[in-house]
Amino acid sequence: GQNIDQPTEMTATEGAIVQINCTYQTSGFNGLFWYQQHAGEAPTFLSYNVLDGLEEKGRFSSFLSRSKGYSYLLLKELQMKDSASYLCAVYDSNYQLIWGAGTKLIIKP
Amino acid sequence: GAVVSQHPSWVICKSGTSVKIECRSLDFQATTMFWYRQFPKQSLMLMATSNEGSKATYEQGVEKDKFLINHASLTLSTLTVTSAHPEDSSFYICSARDEASGSWNEQFFGPGTRLTVL
Repeated sequence: GQNIDQPTEMTATEGAIVQINCTYQTSGFNGLFWYQQHAGEAPTFLSYNVLDGLEEKGRFSSFLSRSKGYSYLLLKELQMKDSASYLCAVYDSNYQLIWGAGTKLIIKP
Repeated sequence: GAVVSQHPSWVICKSGTSVKIECRSLDFQATTMFWYRQFPKQSLMLMATSNEGSKATYEQGVEKDKFLINHASLTLSTLTVTSAHPEDSSFYICSARDEASGSWNEQFFGPGTRLTVL
């Protein structure tokens, strides 16, 4: 079956750095997405990785290792507004988006 | 980026009635739109893929006669929840791909519709 694992919840301090991991097992791979979702709102796009390596975009970076079926989202200089759920999703061989359950990130002052 | 709208943003209805939710791509054409459902504290669950001009493709376990999807134009898909019951109360989200752009693989999400069935 297809499976995406990410931690259920993480807590971090304002101004710090946090890394959210995602491991996946899918039938084929055509890219991995990270989305941010605030409570009661729709997801918003953060990043897309299809090749191995690190993609940096401002305070957020995303890393992919296809051989390990692993990705992480790195958030730097955490702000209170970063409190949200972070969803990992993978395109399988049919370009169907397989979603993880999301990681709820709690930022404390 | 591309914009997707949904209407209504929230709706409350009585059990047994039908509710229609609209999803529009505002500045691009989308031959394919996706309908998701999300229960509290759970991830997105794909219900169906809506294809312009043809029948929708439903995921396993989703009743096509209960969740009617119509994708009549390149900018509009509708989801009708027929004979709604309290267990249908959920957050319904649509998304679309801008297949003409360089970022065709990114899904743009609508703001979601919160349905409450009394």
